Amino acid sequence: ETGVTQTPRHLVMGMTNKKSLKCEQHLGHNAMYWYKQSAKKPLELMFVYSLEERVENNSVPSRFSPECPNSSHLFLHLHTLQPEDSALYLCASSPGSRSIYEQYFGPGTRLTVT
Amino acid sequence: AQSVTQLGSHVSVSEGALVLLRCNYSSSVPPYLFWYVQYPNQGLQLLLKYTSAATLVKGINGFEAEFKKSETSFHLTKPSAHMSDAAEYFCAVSRPGGNQGGKLIFGQGTELSVKP
Repeated sequence: ETGVTQTPRHLVMGMTNKKSLKCEQHLGHNAMYWYKQSAKKPLELMFVYSLEERVENNSVPSRFSPECPNSSHLFLHLHTLQPEDSALYLCASSPGSRSIYEQYFGPGTRLTVT
Repeated sequence: AQSVTQLGSHVSVSEGALVLLRCNYSSSVPPYLFWYVQYPNQGLQLLLKYTSAATLVKGINGFEAEFKKSETSFHLTKPSAHMSDAAEYFCAVSRPGGNQGGKLIFGQGTELSVKP
């Protein structure tokens, strides 16, 4: 595997379910990000992790819970979601978060909440 | 504060015609600027980046962009459009690092259609 991978690619869940999104980067980077991409809206940065420490949380509802066990893996745990949470969730990584680096994106997880 | 404005949410060109996607930025510090492309059902792929070296930046797939400080612009061009260029394009400016770390500020995106 190369680059940034995300699983699953598609997920349909009910509002009472609990599920997790997984992201893995194979680039040796130190920073990882979660974004939400909704139709007709700009990308929304949700969380930033740098060296496994959460350095940014953009007022994301508590029904989204990130986890970064090491610098290569990032999870987004989901519970009691709402239909408006349906979106494409993108993971990205960069060499660091405290400098100005480009980010490398995974293919995304298309989430549908029913 | 940094921000990005992409003029035109949708641009349509004929195959072989010039592609011009517009991006204007606002930044309180010298900016780093990026163009990304997103094909359907895929993540974002870096096309090119400006990091205060040459003002004309060449990227992948024949795209290039010119940084114009006086116009606060970073427009993306390609001399001859190909059908495979149909995608959504995002301009981004980088917020410098600090206590909260650096991040990218994205524009709203421009969807490029290419007609045969």
